Amino acid sequence: GAGVSQSPSNKVTEKGKDVELRCDPISGHTALYWYRQSLGQGLEFLIYFQGNSAPDKSGLPSDRFSAERTGGSVSTLTIQRTQQEDSAVYLCASSSIQPLSTDTQYFGPGTRLTVL
Amino acid sequence: EDQVTQSPEALRLQEGESSSLNCSYTVSGLRGLFWYRQDPGKGPEFLFTLYSAGEEKEKERLKATLTKKESFLHITAPKPEDSATYLCAVTQGSSNTGKLIFGQGTTLQVKP
Repeated sequence: GAGVSQSPSNKVTEKGKDVELRCDPISGHTALYWYRQSLGQGLEFLIYFQGNSAPDKSGLPSDRFSAERTGGSVSTLTIQRTQQEDSAVYLCASSSIQPLSTDTQYFGPGTRLTVL
Repeated sequence: EDQVTQSPEALRLQEGESSSLNCSYTVSGLRGLFWYRQDPGKGPEFLFTLYSAGEEKEKERLKATLTKKESFLHITAPKPEDSATYLCAVTQGSSNTGKLIFGQGTTLQVKP
């Protein structure tokens, strides 16, 4: 079956521009996560969606970052007025049921964002 | 503060030379410990989940073990195709999101 897909795979933008990153989770997975992987920083949590519940935005680094999940499936991460420190790989993951049961998170291939 | 520390940062082995990777964690109530493998330019690939001290899981040349303070990923007779970055992550018991807290990873290179 299809795994988590993300698009674009690579994005180069100029400082100050807005970007949108897309994630298509595994069909039927209700939980969706965004993480960021920066050079030398490891993976850090950004935001979490579970069904129709309010998202957990506690990991978003600034108010320039936002995300939405439409229809409980596809998610879009938007970064406004990009800065060079936003350059990183943005990874999306999904899992099948309630996260309290430590369900395995399956990751997409990531979007590599470069801000010039 | 919840923290995951992996060692060593990098490891070079000859093909067939067994070794272990370490993952030490400090978390307020461990719910689960996860091992992932990440190849360059790709997303993390799930390997194992461990839930309680004493638990062990195996897959081909890999064996993961868990104690109350750390986890080990044992690699027996590695092959060049085992070369990758191995990531350890934990979920916290009190978290209602199940977000993963990652270590920095161990980059393994296996030479033929």
